[in-house]
Amino acid sequence: AQTVTQSQPEMSVQEAETVTLSCTYDTSESDYYLFWYKQPPSRQMILVIRQEAYKQQNATENRFSVNFQKAAKSFSLKISDSQLGDAAMYFCATGERGGSNYKLTFGKGTLLTVNP
Amino acid sequence: KAGVTQTPRYLIKTRGQQVTLSCSPISGHRSVSWYQQTPGQGLQFLFEYFSETQRNKGNFPGRFSGRQFSNSRSEMNVSTLELGDSALYLCASSLYMGVETQYFGPGTRLLVL
Repeated sequence: AQTVTQSQPEMSVQEAETVTLSCTYDTSESDYYLFWYKQPPSRQMILVIRQEAYKQQNATENRFSVNFQKAAKSFSLKISDSQLGDAAMYFCATGERGGSNYKLTFGKGTLLTVNP
Repeated sequence: KAGVTQTPRYLIKTRGQQVTLSCSPISGHRSVSWYQQTPGQGLQFLFEYFSETQRNKGNFPGRFSGRQFSNSRSEMNVSTLELGDSALYLCASSLYMGVETQYFGPGTRLLVL
């Protein structure tokens, strides 16, 4: 079974600074996807970024980028130029492709606070 | 395109009752997945529907069931509610079955008294 571990329950960052959220995972599949979702106080889950495991190039999406280390099964999220609107709970998730187990497995989340 | 919609947004029920939650996916999306979110257990997968068939199920008791209609809209039902069923229920849609990128609705917050 897949497991996802987010070792930082809470993080804080100053506005305009950079912060990195950590995520490690365990999977037996060679083909899978990795995701970071953001859940603000409204509780709406918003996709931040996605990475295909077969791609070596790290995904980027504006101020958000990932550091994907496949051998180490690590998938960290870097937020540059942090903004007040980035304050939210961030969830790392993995999904297996193929086989019969089609579902996302989420970590417990990291609560990010952005200080003005 | 309109996003995933869920109704109702809030529900209060008492133990022993049953409840039905509804989810309308993004237009053109054919797969709908359901998740339960609680402070203690986090986000847990309930089930996924594609082409009106349940394709995958999480580790939940049979009191939790669902269905999908021909227009891809989905409902989930919880019978004989227990206090522990109080949670945020999230629906997510994707183009096809599997771990294509899933887009989430705003959730239905269920409180069981």
